[in-house]
Amino acid sequence: GESVGLHLPTLSVQEGDNSIINCAYSNSASDYFIWYKQESGKGPQFIIDIRSNMDKRQGQRVTVLLNKTVKHLSLQIAATQPGDSAVYFCAETRRGGKLIFGQGTELSVKP
Amino acid sequence: NAGVTQTPKFQVLKTGQSMTLQCAQDMNHNSMYWYRQDPGMGLRLIYYSASEGTTDKGEVPNGYNVSRLNKREFSLRLESAAPSQTSVYFCASSFQTRGLNTGELFFGEGSRLTVL
Repeated sequence: GESVGLHLPTLSVQEGDNSIINCAYSNSASDYFIWYKQESGKGPQFIIDIRSNMDKRQGQRVTVLLNKTVKHLSLQIAATQPGDSAVYFCAETRRGGKLIFGQGTELSVKP
Repeated sequence: NAGVTQTPKFQVLKTGQSMTLQCAQDMNHNSMYWYRQDPGMGLRLIYYSASEGTTDKGEVPNGYNVSRLNKREFSLRLESAAPSQTSVYFCASSFQTRGLNTGELFFGEGSRLTVL
């Protein structure tokens, strides 16, 4: 079947530490992946994306790694801040634009 | 620039009642989407519209209808609401070309629907 899932439902980190949020996907035909951040009471916001022809992509304080061999995606947040506390979703898109979301990981940053 | 605007933000319905959720975007995006989000779960696609005049079913279309009124507006209708449709509904839009998603989806703030 097709699914996008996350390994951990919750993650607690100390302010200033690096955070790593993981995601597994099952469809090897998926060609585009996106990480979204959702703060309480708001809609998801785009963080970073990566195409299947890439292994790594960096943004501001965030890095996404894609391992197609094991169908694994991760989001790394450097120097995690209290404002990073949110639920993080990975999502995959396939040709035609259907975006399929994973269940989400709640990141909690301790001061 | 308002982005994606959804109305209403909150609604309480009785079982069997009907209602329409409205969505409008001002970014000239060609694709629009309706998702629902249940507690502790990710977003599930209800319907989407790749371009004006076209609509397609997503993962959970049963009990819903949609209308792509024009390029800006995409509405979601519940003809006979059921308690299982209690959820938070998100509208989103994006720019696509040749069937490929070229970037991010922009989401509205959500519409919280309770069906009693």
